[in-house]
Amino acid sequence: KAGVTQTPRYLIKTRGQQVTLSCSPISGHRSVSWYQQTPGQGLQFLFEYFSETQRNKGNFPGRFSGRQFSNSRSEMNVSTLELGDSALYLCASSLAGRLAGGDEQFFGPGTRLTVL
Amino acid sequence: AQKVTQAQTEISVVEKEDVTLDCVYETRDTTYYLFWYKQPPSGELVFLIRRNSFDEQNEISGRYSWNFQKSTSSFNFTITASQVVDSAVYFCALKSGNTGKLIFGQGTTLQVKP
Repeated sequence: KAGVTQTPRYLIKTRGQQVTLSCSPISGHRSVSWYQQTPGQGLQFLFEYFSETQRNKGNFPGRFSGRQFSNSRSEMNVSTLELGDSALYLCASSLAGRLAGGDEQFFGPGTRLTVL
Repeated sequence: AQKVTQAQTEISVVEKEDVTLDCVYETRDTTYYLFWYKQPPSGELVFLIRRNSFDEQNEISGRYSWNFQKSTSSFNFTITASQVVDSAVYFCALKSGNTGKLIFGQGTTLQVKP
């Protein structure tokens, strides 16, 4: 079974631009979560999508948004980029039928975003 | 509040030494799940183990073992006879309540020297 894939792997943008990152979950997985990883803040939850609906959201400004398609693929968008948005963005997929369940999340290789 | 603390920022050992990575968690929920992930230099988080709050049995998988103690809110990870390939950042994570999210500790960087 193919793992979680993320595209692109690397991205360089300038302040003020916007960016879209893509994530394809493991086949059969319906939940996709996004995390931001920075040296200062560590791994922080952005949001989770299940069956095309945002099921949960972390404490990030509205510039961060996402969506999920009917095939469970997900995209996240960051508008008006700031220097502090430079990070590794990780996508994770899980079966996650129950929100309170303990299904393990499988992570993709990440997209490293650099904002200049 | 939910929180995961990995007090050890960096650990350096020589190959074949045993090493224990500490993880302490906080949650008010009675049902919760604990995880360990490994992040090699490539960046991808690799799932190692999941434990639910009702299962305090220790687990061993090859050179890896985990000790879950609810009384001390700890979920420690031991690598026996460490190898250079074990060098990575290790994260402990908590999932509880109806949030659907993982709360990660700050990670422990393990360096195994030959």
